Amino acid sequence: GAGVSQSPSNKVTEKGKDVELRCDPISGHTALYWYRQSLGQGLEFLIYFQGNSAPDKSGLPSDRFSAERTGGSVSTLTIQRTQQEDSAVYLCASSFVLSGGPLDTQYFGPGTRLTVL
Amino acid sequence: RKEVEQDPGPFNVPEGATVAFNCTYSNSASQSFFWYRQDCRKEPKLLMSVYSSGNEDGRFTAQLNRASQYISLLIRDSKLSDSATYLCVVNVYTDKLIFGTGTRLQVFP
Repeated sequence: GAGVSQSPSNKVTEKGKDVELRCDPISGHTALYWYRQSLGQGLEFLIYFQGNSAPDKSGLPSDRFSAERTGGSVSTLTIQRTQQEDSAVYLCASSFVLSGGPLDTQYFGPGTRLTVL
Repeated sequence: RKEVEQDPGPFNVPEGATVAFNCTYSNSASQSFFWYRQDCRKEPKLLMSVYSSGNEDGRFTAQLNRASQYISLLIRDSKLSDSATYLCVVNVYTDKLIFGTGTRLQVFP
C-alpha cells in the first residue's frame, strides 16, 4: 500500500520568501507529525495532529512556522519569511493512535529538503 | 541535559562482529521505547520496540533498564547492510516521541 508521501522532495528558496511543504499521510492514520532534521542532528519535533483535537504546537521554533491539517488527512507546513537557519530536511510521519491507547509505529515520509539561500 | 542521549559514534566494526549501543533517558515517567534505523539521506524506520523484559529479533536484541534509565541495542554477526544511524526513541508524553541524535554504525568488510 501507499506510504507517507511528501512534496516537494527538494525546495530551494531565497531568504525572506514563504514556503509550503505538503504531507499526505497513510490513509486511515489518525495522527500526523512534523519534524525537522538539520545536517548531522537528531529529529526535532515541530507539531502533532491527532484526530479532531487541537494540535500540539509546542515544538514550533517561532511564529513564522504554522501547520494545518485539512479533513483529517493532508497537512501543510508553512514557513514564512524563511531564514538560512530554516534549512533542513522536514519529515512528516503518521500513525494510527487510539485515544488513551498504546503508541503505534510512526511511518515517515521521505522528507522535503529545504535550502534557504 | 538532553531528554534522550546517545553516543554519536561512529562505531566502525568488521563484518561478523558484535556491537552494542546504549541510550539514556532523563524522564523516569517515560512509557515506551523504540529503536529506529536511519540510512544516509533516508527517512527513519522502526527497527524494533523495546519491552521491559527485553526482546530479540533475529540478530538484534533490545533491553530496557528502568532503574538506570537506559536502553541498549545489541547487534550480533554484523552485516555490511547494518551500516546506518540507530536512533533511540522514547515516548515521554502521550502520542509524542522524543528522538535521540543517533549512533552511527559503519560495518567494514
